[in-house]
Amino acid sequence: EVHLVESGGGRVQPGESLRLSCGDPEFSVSSNYMNWVRQAPGKGLEWVSSIYVGGGTYYRDSVRGRFTISRDISENTLYLQMHSLRPEDTAVYYCVGGDSSSYFEHWGQGTLVTVSA
Amino acid sequence: SYVLTQPPSVSVAPGQTARLSCGGDNIGNRAVHWYQQRPGQAPVLVVSYNTDRPSRIPERFSGSNSGNSATLTISRVEAGDEADYYCQVWDSRTDDYVFGPGTKVSVL
Repeated sequence: EVHLVESGGGRVQPGESLRLSCGDPEFSVSSNYMNWVRQAPGKGLEWVSSIYVGGGTYYRDSVRGRFTISRDISENTLYLQMHSLRPEDTAVYYCVGGDSSSYFEHWGQGTLVTVSA
Repeated sequence: SYVLTQPPSVSVAPGQTARLSCGGDNIGNRAVHWYQQRPGQAPVLVVSYNTDRPSRIPERFSGSNSGNSATLTISRVEAGDEADYYCQVWDSRTDDYVFGPGTKVSVL
């Protein structure tokens, strides 16, 4: 069973940066489509970013230019580097991976990011 | 971008059938995926590509898609089915993954 684990969440002030990490030693981040999906407190799910098997990266408009998704093949780890954080970025961030680019198969338990003064 | 609509809530008695709708313009031409999120837990994929069910998901869960509405059907509803359910598509025009607002299923 896939067990993706996120880390790196925390509380930061507006404008600051944070890097999220995600991995499962038994699940290859380079052989699967990897994604970040977030959920603001009490709200619905919102796709944030994806990195495809071929290396292509995709972002929702509101984070493009501020967030960067990447993967370290040697460490088998997925990252989300977040800069210029805003209060509206406050959410639980889920790492999600799978063998399809169409849907989100295996979800981590999430890490909470709080952006507040 | 593409917009999905879902009723905010559905109530169903144990043992009955719940039908959750997901509306969108010509959604029948798209692949729709469904997720279950129990309180305090991460989402779980329950149906992919309109009708496909992962092996670990009970046969009570089924999906359909036609016209302007997709449906997730939960047969013989159990207390453990109480959760939020989200539909999702990929919008090829904008390269966005779009989620519906979610439907909260309450088991009476």
